[in-house]
Amino acid sequence: AQKVTQAQTEISVVEKEDVTLDCVYETRDTTYYLFWYKQPPSGELVFLIRRNSFDEQNEISGRYSWNFQKSTSSFNFTITASQVVDSAVYFCALSEEKNYGQNFVFGPGTRLSVLP
Amino acid sequence: EPEVTQTPSHQVTQMGQEVILRCVPISNHLYFYWYRQILGQKVEFLVSFYNNEISEKSEIFDDQFSVERPDGSNFTLKIRSTKLEDSAMYFCATKERSNQPQHFGDGTRLSIL
Repeated sequence: AQKVTQAQTEISVVEKEDVTLDCVYETRDTTYYLFWYKQPPSGELVFLIRRNSFDEQNEISGRYSWNFQKSTSSFNFTITASQVVDSAVYFCALSEEKNYGQNFVFGPGTRLSVLP
Repeated sequence: EPEVTQTPSHQVTQMGQEVILRCVPISNHLYFYWYRQILGQKVEFLVSFYNNEISEKSEIFDDQFSVERPDGSNFTLKIRSTKLEDSAMYFCATKERSNQPQHFGDGTRLSIL
């Protein structure tokens, strides 16, 4: 069975600090996808990144970076020089390959508050 | 960029009433999903739909729920005899092919009074 754990329920940082959001997943499949979504107060889900299980390269996109480590089943997300606009709930999600496509299993989310 | 569109953005309904949530997928997408997020909680899978039939559903998706594509374009979630605990944000997601990522709509906030 799939499972996604985000141990940090809430994090508060002061603007310009770096912050890392942890994500640990469980799956028995060898082919799977990992995602991060941002959910601002307005409620929509904003796609940030997708990574497949065969690609362990870390990725950087502006102030965002992701560290995928299969050995520890982790897919952590770092925001560098955080800004107030980064305040949101962040969800990590796992998707396995299935016959009719995948569905997602979301983690419980981490609420990030960036204070001015 | 094409988007998944959900209507209405907010639905307020009396308990016991039926409600239909609508989703317009991106035009060439073949896989459809509904998810639910109770306020303050995580997003939960409800159902997936492919080739005009349900391919998978969760324990949450009981006989109270149904999905269909009545006109080949809209993808709807019907909730019969709504309960207070059905109050949540409902997200539709669609994708083109099996190995492609899902695209989420902005959600419908359902409030049951």
